[in-house]
Amino acid sequence: AQRVTQPEKLLSVFKGAPVELKCNYSYSGSPELFWYVQYSRQRLQLLLRHISRESIKGFTADLNKGETSFHLKKPFAQEEDSAMYYCALWGGVGNFNKFYFGSGTKLNVKP
Amino acid sequence: ETGVTQTPRHLVMGMTNKKSLKCEQHLGHNAMYWYKQSAKKPLELMFVYNFKEQTENNSVPSRFSPECPNSSHLFLHLHTLQPEDSALYLCASSQVTGTGVGNTIYFGEGSWLTVV
Repeated sequence: AQRVTQPEKLLSVFKGAPVELKCNYSYSGSPELFWYVQYSRQRLQLLLRHISRESIKGFTADLNKGETSFHLKKPFAQEEDSAMYYCALWGGVGNFNKFYFGSGTKLNVKP
Repeated sequence: ETGVTQTPRHLVMGMTNKKSLKCEQHLGHNAMYWYKQSAKKPLELMFVYNFKEQTENNSVPSRFSPECPNSSHLFLHLHTLQPEDSALYLCASSQVTGTGVGNTIYFGEGSWLTVV
């Protein structure tokens, strides 16, 4: 069964410290994975998708199929990174195009 | 207007009321979704529509009734709700490509629902 797990509900770091938000998934095929971010009072928006292999706002995420992980990383956290982060998995056309979301991790970057 | 728009942004309703949430997407997508966001379950999939056909009902109580008249519009009709249904209801859309390449899901700002 498809599942996305984010083990940390809250992650607090100081400004300038490295950040790693963990995401593990369960999927039988070749996964399509995403990170979404929700800033305070804003809509949930795409941060990055693994297929694009991009870096957005200094964040990167590498798909590790062996460990079934897609952790989000940033070398130096900024206060404006404080937000709720969701890892998501696309279930595929055969799974009626469903997107599975983790329970989210709240990142708090302290000054 | 671009993206996914939801109305109303805030709704307060009594348990015996009937109301509807509306969603419109301007992205040319062919899949639409309703999610429920609450403190208890951060992002809970409710319904999925692909090409206007409902393809997922995630064990949602019948007091929630979706309607998708076309690929751009999605409604959530609400009737005899309970206080525990108070939450943020998110509409989203994506493009089904059928090629196996992943899609991206785009969200509206949500409708805050309070049931009193």
